[in-house]
Order: sequence, then structure tokens, then C-alpha cells
Amino acid sequence: AQRVTQPEKLLSVFKGAPVELKCNYSYSGSPELFWYVQYSRQRLQLLLRHISRESIKGFTADLNKGETSFHLKKPFAQEEDSAMYYCALKPGNTGKLIFGQGTTLQVKP
Amino acid sequence: DTEVTQTPKHLVMGMTNKKSLKCEQHMGHRAMYWYKQKAKKPPELMFVYSYEKLSINESVPSRFSPECPNSSLLNLHLHALQPEDSALYLCASSQDRSQSAGTQYFGPGTRLTVL
Repeated sequence: AQRVTQPEKLLSVFKGAPVELKCNYSYSGSPELFWYVQYSRQRLQLLLRHISRESIKGFTADLNKGETSFHLKKPFAQEEDSAMYYCALKPGNTGKLIFGQGTTLQVKP
Repeated sequence: DTEVTQTPKHLVMGMTNKKSLKCEQHMGHRAMYWYKQKAKKPPELMFVYSYEKLSINESVPSRFSPECPNSSLLNLHLHALQPEDSALYLCASSQDRSQSAGTQYFGPGTRLTVL
């Protein structure tokens, strides 16, 4: 079965602390994985895609095929990082995007 | 223009009304999508259009009827909706459906309330 699991509904950290939002996936083929972010009252925005291997707003994510994970990390959280974060899996070429349940990141001052 | 736009922003309709949601993109994308998002939940895929043809219908009730009149425009026609259909309806587009060019970009959504 194709599935994305984000085990934490809410992650609360203090400003300046490191952040890791967990994402595990289930897919037998070669996955394409994304992180999307939804700030309050704003549209769902692409944050990262694994094939780009880039860092956006200080966030990075590495695909670990052995552990079937794509965790999102940032060394020093900022208050403006507070948002809902969704991990998503694109299996194959159908266009389907399978989202995890999302993790709300709350960065406290 | 590098954004997906959606109109209206908000829509309130009765269960007997007929209304339409509109989505537009001018990025030359050939795949377009409709999603439904309930509060604090992830988006759920409803329909996928590829090169103006419907390629995926995720068993959506027939009271939702999608239409893709051209490569830039996607509509969602609504008729005889139920209160449980109240949600944020998101449109997205991507270059195409392939893995390499399939990154989806989302519109701001239409907040639909069915009374």
C-alpha cells in the first residue's frame, strides 16, 4: 500500500532550537517525495522536493531509502516557521499525490 | 504569471443551488487537479486532468462535475450538495503528471459552505 505517515500531530519547540519533522513512507517503487507548508490563511506551498536536494528557508530533507524516511530538519527554528507541514509522496506517473496527516509546528518565543 | 488563481474565494450555497468553482493558470502546465481539504486535514485528491482529459476520478459523487475547457482553465460544477461537502476546495497544476515534472503548485482555494 502507498502511504505517508507523519507520527507527530503537533511539535512545539522554542525559538533557536533544532527541529525535526518526521515522515515515513510506504511505496515499493522509486519514490518522489515533497514537503509542503501551509502558513495560517495562506495557500499550500512547496517547501522542498527530494530530487532537488536544496535548502529552502534553512530547511533540508534527506531521503533515506533504507529507513523509508524523508525527515525535515532545521538547525535553528524561527517563530515564522510556525505552520502546518505536510509530507507527500508521488508514486509513479499518474499525477496522484499522497499526503501525510500533517504536523503542526509551533515555535515559541 | 506564475500562480494558480481560484475564484470565488468564498461561496455559500443551498443544497438545491447550482454553482461553479473556477481555477486558472498561465504557466503552460498540462496537468490540473482538484482537491478537497477539511479543517486541519490533508488535501484529498478528487480529480486529475492531463492534457485536458480526465485521467483520474477518485470515486467522487456525481454532484461534483469537473470540466477542463482549455489547458489554462479548470472548473468544478456543483449541484445538489450536502452540508458535509463544506470544505476548502483546492486547485493545483503541474507541468505534467510525470515524476520528473510533476511538482504540483496550489491555488489559494475556495472556501465552500453548504447550508
